[in-house]
Amino acid sequence: KQEVTQIPAALSVPEGENLVLNCSFTDSAIYNLQWFRQDPGKGLTSLLLIQSSQREQTSGRLNASLDKSSGRSTLYIAASQPGDSATYLCAVEVNYGQNFVFGPGTRLSVLP
Amino acid sequence: EAGVTQFPSHSVIEKGQTVTLRCDPISGHDNLYWYRRVMGKEIKFLLHFVKESKQDESGMPNNRFLAERTGGTYSTLKVQPAELEDSGVYFCASSPWTGGRNEQFFGPGTRLTVL
Repeated sequence: KQEVTQIPAALSVPEGENLVLNCSFTDSAIYNLQWFRQDPGKGLTSLLLIQSSQREQTSGRLNASLDKSSGRSTLYIAASQPGDSATYLCAVEVNYGQNFVFGPGTRLSVLP
Repeated sequence: EAGVTQFPSHSVIEKGQTVTLRCDPISGHDNLYWYRRVMGKEIKFLLHFVKESKQDESGMPNNRFLAERTGGTYSTLKVQPAELEDSGVYFCASSPWTGGRNEQFFGPGTRLTVL
């Protein structure tokens, strides 16, 4: 059974810092890995999707990497801003074209 | 392009009552998923439609939950009768699933409170 963990559970940083959020999964046989952000009381916003054949994806100040063999993904946020404050969720696709298993999330606060 | 929409945004009902949640996926997305988050827990998968067919309903908690997707467009999730432990946020997601790329787009969720 696939399990996804995220470290740290919460993180508080001053504006401008670069930071890394970690995601680990127990079964390396995944298809896609997706990073989301969730603002309080809102739905999930897709940030990046990495297919199993890829090692990283970049979008603006965000860079996500994937190491299937070690069961890890990282989300790198460059030059953090207060608007980046949200909960960041990692999810892995366990069967081709099917559902994702979610981690518990990392709650990020970027202080002005 | 309109995103995934869900209705209602909030629902408060009493134990034993019936509630129906609705999800409108992004136009053209054949894949539709229901997930839920109960208090303090991770988001958990409920079921997956491909067009109007149920592809996987292994996450449905019990037979009080019934999902439909008539005509392969919008979907409904009915809880009958509702129990206290059904409280949580119910999310719907859709995906075009092209070329092995299964990027899921989520709606804002329906917050269900069972009293």
